[in-house]
Amino acid sequence: GAGVSQSPRYKVAKRGQDVALRCDPISGHVSLFWYQQALGQGPEFLTYFQNEAQLDKSGLPSDRFFAERPEGSVSTLKIQRTQQEDSAVYLCASGPGQGYEQYFGPGTRLTVT
Amino acid sequence: ILNVEQSPQSLHVQEGDSTNFTCSFPSSNFYALHWYRWETAKSPEALFVMTLNGDEKKKGRISATLNTKEGYSYLYIKGSQPEDSATYLCAFIVNSGYSTLTFGKGTMLLVSP
Repeated sequence: GAGVSQSPRYKVAKRGQDVALRCDPISGHVSLFWYQQALGQGPEFLTYFQNEAQLDKSGLPSDRFFAERPEGSVSTLKIQRTQQEDSAVYLCASGPGQGYEQYFGPGTRLTVT
Repeated sequence: ILNVEQSPQSLHVQEGDSTNFTCSFPSSNFYALHWYRWETAKSPEALFVMTLNGDEKKKGRISATLNTKEGYSYLYIKGSQPEDSATYLCAFIVNSGYSTLTFGKGTMLLVSP
């Protein structure tokens, strides 16, 4: 069956540009997570959705980061006025419930120049 | 702040060698530990989810053990093959209502033919 997909796979943005990263979770999955992996680091939690409700956004690094999942399926992570330190791989994961199963997409590699 | 440590940071072995990596995590509030394999340009793939102290799991040539009392897990690869080349990530879950993963930085394995 189809796994988690993310688009675009690669994005180059000039500093100050806004970007939008898309995640298509596995159909029917309730949980959706966003993680950020900076170079040389492990992935770090950004935000969590249960259906359309954003239950935890404690990992978002600044108010330039915004995530939504309006219909409880596709999610978008938006970064406004990108900075060089936003360069990272952004991973999306979905899960069938509140338990610990998480299935990852291939990530979007964002480079801010 | 949860701290998950992985060692070594990178490893280069010859085809046929056996190898192992370590993941250290806080022993309090343990819920589960994941091992993932992440090949370049692909999605992180779940290898094992481990929950019980003393757990040993095996998948082909790869196996893992868990010690929750002392806070470590080992991943073993027997007879490494070039296709095993990837970054191996461990991720820790605390006992919470939903399962945010806290990752280590990973061990990058390169297997030369």
